[in-house]
Amino acid sequence: GENVEQHPSTLSVQEGDSAVIKCTYSDSASNYFPWYKQELGKRPQLIIDIRSNVGEKKDQRIAVTLNKTAKHFSLHITETQPEDSAVYFCAATHQLSYQLIWGAGTKLIIKP
Amino acid sequence: DGGITQSPKYLFRKEGQNVTLSCEQNLNHDAMYWYRQDPGQGLRLIYYSQIVNDFQKGDIAEGYSVSREKKESFPLTVTSAQKNPTAFYLCASSLDRRESNQPQHFGDGTRLSIL
Repeated sequence: GENVEQHPSTLSVQEGDSAVIKCTYSDSASNYFPWYKQELGKRPQLIIDIRSNVGEKKDQRIAVTLNKTAKHFSLHITETQPEDSAVYFCAATHQLSYQLIWGAGTKLIIKP
Repeated sequence: DGGITQSPKYLFRKEGQNVTLSCEQNLNHDAMYWYRQDPGQGLRLIYYSQIVNDFQKGDIAEGYSVSREKKESFPLTVTSAQKNPTAFYLCASSLDRRESNQPQHFGDGTRLSIL
């Protein structure tokens, strides 16, 4: 069935360094890829999304890249700060579906 | 997202009891969703609804029921058939996907525990 694999499960980076989280999807019809940030005990919040007609999207320190041929997309966070510590989830879906297929999550730890 | 309200924030269920979790949105969103999240895990879809009076099972619907009598409301009942209900329950909503995929926005969640 449809699947989204997310790596790594835990990522520890020094404050100020960059962090990269990668996701691979199985359904070639997927055309929408959101990223969510979830702080401990809180709701997931959309931080950035990308559609298949775009290869890259940026929003300040956050960027997402999409490689449709390889069926993977990545979240890039530059100049990491302590408040970036959270669990990040990727997801994928296509226009004929209401269901998001979720990755398992990446726990990002920012070391001071 | 202040437009999605879940209540209560914490809920305790006794053995054999049905409990209902409330989800209300004032975003005029067409689609609504219920997810379950276990500690340290990802999100699993329980039910979703595209329009009023219609809903579909997700990946883990057994032991749960829903209704969608109004556009703004999508309550979830955790029945006694759900033997392991302890989890964090998240409600979400989105605009109609026919206008291209739209992001899902989440409520603050309800934490359900067994007494």
